[in-house]
Amino acid sequence: SQTIHQWPATLVQPVGSPLSLECTVEGTSNPNLYWYRQAAGRGLQLLFYSVGIGQISSEVPQNLSASRPQDRQFILSSKKLLLSDSGFYLCAWTEGTVKETQYFGPGTRLLVL
Amino acid sequence: GQSLEQPSEVTAVEGAIVQINCTYQTSGFYGLSWYQQHDGGAPTFLSYNGLDGLEETGRFSSFLSRSDSYGYLLLQELQMKDSASYFCAVRDSNYQLIWGAGTKLIIKP
Repeated sequence: SQTIHQWPATLVQPVGSPLSLECTVEGTSNPNLYWYRQAAGRGLQLLFYSVGIGQISSEVPQNLSASRPQDRQFILSSKKLLLSDSGFYLCAWTEGTVKETQYFGPGTRLLVL
Repeated sequence: GQSLEQPSEVTAVEGAIVQINCTYQTSGFYGLSWYQQHDGGAPTFLSYNGLDGLEETGRFSSFLSRSDSYGYLLLQELQMKDSASYFCAVRDSNYQLIWGAGTKLIIKP
């Protein structure tokens, strides 16, 4: 069966510090991968998606970046965090662009102080 | 712009039936999905409607009317564990999911 991992679960970082969040998927090949951010009490905002190694599409211009160095690995990064980067970061995967079900990882709760 | 509208909060009694509505305005439409999210957890998939009509999965049903750009999630025989936030999401012309802000379902005994 497929599983998706995210770490860390919780992170407190000072403003201006770098960020690296990792997401890995097991049990599937060539998944589509997604990074979302969710503010408290709000819906999900798509940040990046990837259909393959090295292929990244950005939905929202900001100080975040994403990389996909391996088929089942998706990394979200920042060189300098802003207060507004605080939120719940969720990684998700699907089997293809037309597959309707997105499977989410447990999420990383980021607090920037 | 693209938008999905759903009530911010709905309250119901245990054992009752509740309906959560969703109206959408998107560039392209390739189906309406519903997800459940418990506090502190990740969203989990509930149902999908690609065509007009009703889809039933156990106690949960979902309805779509594409001509009205409208859908709803119906939860029957409510249980306390159904207390959660429910999100509708539409797949747009870029095949990406556009999410509503979520409806918090409060269930009272």
